[in-house]
Amino acid sequence: QLQLQESGPGLVKPSETLSLTCSVSGGSISSKSYYWGWIRQPPGKGLEWMGSIYYSGTTYYNPSLKSRVTISVDTSKNQFSLKLSSVTAADTAVYYCARDLRHRAAWYFDLWGRGTLVSVSS
Amino acid sequence: QSALTQPPSASGSPGQSVTISCTGTSSDVGGYNYVSWYQHHPGKAPKLMIYEVIKRPSGVPDRFSGSKSGNTASLTVSGLQAEDEADYYCSSYAGSDNVRFGGGTKLTVL
Repeated sequence: QLQLQESGPGLVKPSETLSLTCSVSGGSISSKSYYWGWIRQPPGKGLEWMGSIYYSGTTYYNPSLKSRVTISVDTSKNQFSLKLSSVTAADTAVYYCARDLRHRAAWYFDLWGRGTLVSVSS
Repeated sequence: QSALTQPPSASGSPGQSVTISCTGTSSDVGGYNYVSWYQHHPGKAPKLMIYEVIKRPSGVPDRFSGSKSGNTASLTVSGLQAEDEADYYCSSYAGSDNVRFGGGTKLTVL
């Protein structure tokens, strides 16, 4: 059973870079069938897709975040990572990683991690 | 880009049916048959319940059904059970490789 687990600092200072990693277990991140994505949820608000990556390194980003988001993949560790630069309090959120079906022209996320809360505060 | 619009809350008694709406525009919900729905119990991983408007993944009870009319998609939960109490989110393809989510609906089983 494939599982995803987010990890990273729970507190980041304003103007710094938020960095998170998603570890994939029970399956290979190098599967040709899937992308791997990041989605976040600020407190009391809805979900926001941030971006997704293929094992080859091909990326897609939400236009509203594109200038600040970088997603990378490490197939040797079966992990993918998120970096969000110049963070503000508005970036405080629960961050989820998920398996993305876009490679099949199927626009949904079929497996998710439990999420990790990242707070932006000095 | 605006999020899809969902009612903040919905409720029903055990055994009843409840429908949650998800309103977008012709650029997302109305323009594509790529609406999906997710169930989220706090502290747990969100779970895919419906994809491509009407399809159910393996293991999802047939009490959950999806539909769409124009720019509004709907999730109906029939025969409500206590374990259905959760937050529900819709999402839709929005063109140009972009996916848009709703604000979420808290479903309460009375």
